[in-house]
Amino acid sequence: NAGVTQTPKFQVLKTGQSMTLQCAQDMNHNSMYWYRQDPGMGLRLIYYSASEGTTDKGEVPNGYNVSRLNKREFSLRLESAAPSQTSVYFCASSQTDTSGYTFGSGTRLTVV
Amino acid sequence: KNQVEQSPQSLIILEGKNCTLQCNYTVSPFSNLRWYKQDTGRGPVSLTIMTFSENTKSNGRYTATLDADTKQSSLHITASQLSDSASYICVVSGRGTDSWGKLQFGAGTQVVVTP
Repeated sequence: NAGVTQTPKFQVLKTGQSMTLQCAQDMNHNSMYWYRQDPGMGLRLIYYSASEGTTDKGEVPNGYNVSRLNKREFSLRLESAAPSQTSVYFCASSQTDTSGYTFGSGTRLTVV
Repeated sequence: KNQVEQSPQSLIILEGKNCTLQCNYTVSPFSNLRWYKQDTGRGPVSLTIMTFSENTKSNGRYTATLDADTKQSSLHITASQLSDSASYICVVSGRGTDSWGKLQFGAGTQVVVTP
């Protein structure tokens, strides 16, 4: 099925550990995004990639890095996880900024 | 302060009844407004997208309205079904280079449809 695939679906990390969240889309979209969703709050943009080869900071980039590996893949890395990074992370893609976004099913991350 | 406010925070409705969700925003200049449905444990799924020149758009039993002058939108669900139980999220996109890729998300309205 066409769409956005995120791995893993669940992860528990200890404080200070690192990990990479993977995201891939098969719709040939130009733009990709990483969001986090916390209880009682709207989704917040961490980083985005307007097109292959470019990345930019969003609203809450501290503690994260990203890589746009190719047009299909956009990964999010936590170098030294902190409890404040406990959240649900969503990857999304779109053809343009004004077109509809397609979201992945999310990664639920717990940092203890 | 969040630029997109949704009300109510949650509501419970009987199967078959109608309901209306509200969204107020302060994002300016405005490009478009979107409504998403998010089932528990899943990513948001797009229901409608409206530009400032559109004042209503439907997707099956979902009808969204937009008043760009008052910066208000509503989502009306007709003849609710159990599968409508979800969080409904209002999302506003600004216009301009500084707004690129930076959608403003509301916190969502949690709808529970009971038999």
